[in-house]
Amino acid sequence: EVQLVESGGGLVQPGGSLRLSCAASGFTFSSYWMSWVRQAPGKGLEWVANIKQDGSEKYYVDSVKGRFTISRDNAKNSLYLQMNSLRAEDTAVYYCARDRVPAAIPSSWFDPWGQGTLVTVSS
Amino acid sequence: SSELTQDPAVSVALGQTVRITCQGDSLRSYYASWYQQKPGQAPVLVIYGKNNRPSGIPDRFSGSSSGNTASLTITGAQAEDEADYYCNSRDSSGNLHVVFGGGTKLTVL
Repeated sequence: EVQLVESGGGLVQPGGSLRLSCAASGFTFSSYWMSWVRQAPGKGLEWVANIKQDGSEKYYVDSVKGRFTISRDNAKNSLYLQMNSLRAEDTAVYYCARDRVPAAIPSSWFDPWGQGTLVTVSS
Repeated sequence: SSELTQDPAVSVALGQTVRITCQGDSLRSYYASWYQQKPGQAPVLVIYGKNNRPSGIPDRFSGSSSGNTASLTITGAQAEDEADYYCNSRDSSGNLHVVFGGGTKLTVL
């Protein structure tokens, strides 16, 4: 069964840091672009970042550029999101998601998604 | 960056057909994909590409596109289809980003 399981969320003060992890199983992790998508409470989905199969290309939404870093460890079948200088507006459920098909260029076809991990930025 | 616009809310009578739309410049270059999200759950891909359904998605869900508008059609809506629906696509700026629409809350009456 293809599965993504996020962890690492929690309560952090403004300006603090947090590292999210996403454990993948049931597929060849190293063959797929991966993304992080977040959803603020009661709000819509927002794409945050994606990373190429070998980690050589990474892209970010403007609002997190310079503060968040996406990375992966193919040997551990794991995706990460290092979040620094956190702000109240970063409060959200963070989902990891796999591109549906392995390809050289990322798609917007995310399947499957993990169950999400909640990040709350508050003093 | 690109933007995708969706109606905030749509309603449909049980068993009737409903169309949910998504508008944006990026849709002139890229197909939209559609996601269903029920309360407290992760999104689920229901339509991708020209009009493809992942396994397990009922065939009452279909997708189409014309110009800058993509549509998700549910033919014979069921009570279990009540959910939030989001479209997304590649950003047309050429930066390999992804953009989401604001979502549509579908109520089945």
